[in-house]
Amino acid sequence: TQLLEQSPQFLSIQEGENLTVYCNSSSVFSSLQWYRQEPGEGPVLLVTVVTGGEVKKLKRLTFQFGDARKDSSLHITAAQPGDTGLYLCAGSNQAGTALIFGKGTTLSVSS
Amino acid sequence: NAGVTQTPKFQVLKTGQSMTLQCAQDMNHEYMSWYRQDPGMGLRLIHYSVGAGITDQGEVPNGYNVSRSTTEDFPLRLLSAAPSQTSVYFCASRERGGWETQYFGPGTRLLVL
Repeated sequence: TQLLEQSPQFLSIQEGENLTVYCNSSSVFSSLQWYRQEPGEGPVLLVTVVTGGEVKKLKRLTFQFGDARKDSSLHITAAQPGDTGLYLCAGSNQAGTALIFGKGTTLSVSS
Repeated sequence: NAGVTQTPKFQVLKTGQSMTLQCAQDMNHEYMSWYRQDPGMGLRLIHYSVGAGITDQGEVPNGYNVSRSTTEDFPLRLLSAAPSQTSVYFCASRERGGWETQYFGPGTRLLVL
């Protein structure tokens, strides 16, 4: 069974701080995705990483895929209140037909 | 484009009642899926479809039925609602080629009493 473990589960920081969220598995994934979800809405795709060791940047967000394609991280530089939300990592199942989600990291950034 | 739409937004059911959650997409996506989201559990896959007339079970299919008669629509049926089915339900769709085109609907919040 493919599982994705996210840490930390909750994160409460001040505006301007940096943070890293981790997504780990004992299984190899062909790709991993990161989503952000706000209360009352569906998840919105932020990025897809495909190649081991790949790094992608989206403004102040940096995403990394582990060399062995078993883990990923999301780093936010100088967090802002607008970054508040639930961050989810997800990987494709072996058949490529659906996503397996981690349990999510709830981020709260206060000004 | 409306993207992925879901109705209703909120529903209250009594135990044993049946209902259908509607999902529609206007992007001509082949792949569609249903997830449920519970506190502290992330999203779990219920059923999915890789095209009209083709459906398969996900991680938590018990108590739910689906059908895919058209590319656009993928309804989820609860045959006899149970309190354990209280959850937020999300429908998603994407193109066959890759996950970069994955879109989620706004969700249906279901309460079973």
